[in-house]
Amino acid sequence: AQSVAQPEDQVNVAEGNPLTVKCTYSVSGNPYLFWYVQYPNRGLQFLLKYITGDNLVKGSYGFEAEFNKSQTSFHLKKPSALVSDSALYFCACNDYKLSFGAGTTVTVRA
Amino acid sequence: EAQVTQNPRYLITVTGKKLTVTCSQNMNHEYMSWYRQDPGLGLRQIYYSMNVEVTDKGDVPEGYKVSRKEKRNFPLILESPSPNQTSLYFCASGRTSGSGETQYFGPGTRLLVL
Repeated sequence: AQSVAQPEDQVNVAEGNPLTVKCTYSVSGNPYLFWYVQYPNRGLQFLLKYITGDNLVKGSYGFEAEFNKSQTSFHLKKPSALVSDSALYFCACNDYKLSFGAGTTVTVRA
Repeated sequence: EAQVTQNPRYLITVTGKKLTVTCSQNMNHEYMSWYRQDPGLGLRQIYYSMNVEVTDKGDVPEGYKVSRKEKRNFPLILESPSPNQTSLYFCASGRTSGSGETQYFGPGTRLLVL
């Protein structure tokens, strides 16, 4: 069985501060991990994924994620958050199918 | 522009009235799937299709049907909708069903069943 967990329902940060959205995973084989973002009244947009190789993955809109095998985590990060980053973020793993976490609502205040 | 389209975007209906939500992709993807999004539950897969005429159940298939007669289209059918099917629905497609493949999502269909 495979699953991901997002331990925080909400994350609030001030504009310009670092943003971290947490994700932990549980998979039996090689982890294939994804981050998606959902802006208000929009569909899900792909941000980045980890397949293999470098533990630091760079994606769209200045986001990056760090794969940590020992901690079974795949946290999403952005060095300097923007108000426009306010959205719903989903972590997902894909072993034999795509399984999503419950989502984390990010609010960036001006 | 490469995209997944869904129609309608918003739909209000009544219990028992059959409805179809269409999904189409222009990327020649083999793999297509349907998800429903509910608060606190993330996205759950309803049905998926590995290719034309090949479909299978996901995690929450009860009350739904699908068909894949053409590669680009993957409609979701609710034969007799019930209020517990009120949700936000997403169609997605991917090049293949491979574990590392990215799935691309449509804009969503918000359904209210009265």
